[in-house]
Amino acid sequence: QLQLQESGSGLVKPSQTLSLTCAVSGGSISMSGYSWNWVRQAPGKGLEWIGQIYHVGNTNYNPSLASRVTISVDRSRNQFSLKLTSVTAADTAVYYCARDAGYLDLWGRGTLVSVSS
Amino acid sequence: VMTQSPATLSVSPGEGVTLSCRASQSVNNRLAWYQQRPGQVPRLLIYDASTRATGIPDRFSGRGSGTEFTLTISSLQSEDFAVYYCQQYNNWPPYSFGQGTKLEIK
Repeated sequence: QLQLQESGSGLVKPSQTLSLTCAVSGGSISMSGYSWNWVRQAPGKGLEWIGQIYHVGNTNYNPSLASRVTISVDRSRNQFSLKLTSVTAADTAVYYCARDAGYLDLWGRGTLVSVSS
Repeated sequence: VMTQSPATLSVSPGEGVTLSCRASQSVNNRLAWYQQRPGQVPRLLIYDASTRATGIPDRFSGRGSGTEFTLTISSLQSEDFAVYYCQQYNNWPPYSFGQGTKLEIK
């Protein structure tokens, strides 16, 4: 059974870089027909799509975040990662990784990242 | 832009309810619905506007195409009180979500 698990720093200082990893277990990140996505949810708010990566490395980002976002994949470790630079308090959120077949059919449990000095 | 209405709906258990989602431009049938219970991860309910995801009870049904979509829950159970989001995946990037409809117990 495929599972996704986020990991990374739960506290980031303003202006620094947020880094998260999503480990894929129970299946290969190279499976065809899927991309691997990041979605976030600020406290008490709705869902915001951050971006996606395919196992071959092609990426798409939300234009609202594109200047600060990098998503990468490590096929040897069966994981993909998110970097968000120059963070502010507005980037405080639960960050989810998710598998995408157009719709997001499998989600990680999410990890809370707080931006604070 | 995806717009959901209403923002909050108060309903009694056992009743049926219909939630709406409107797209600012056609998304064909590339529309998904998610349920998010308090403190939990979003769960895929419906994709391609009307196809139930694996394990979703048949009291959940989706309809629509183009710009107008609905999610109907035929008989509300206690576990159905949650926030529901629609998401389009036709015109991307970016994927866009509605702002959510909260179903609360009346």
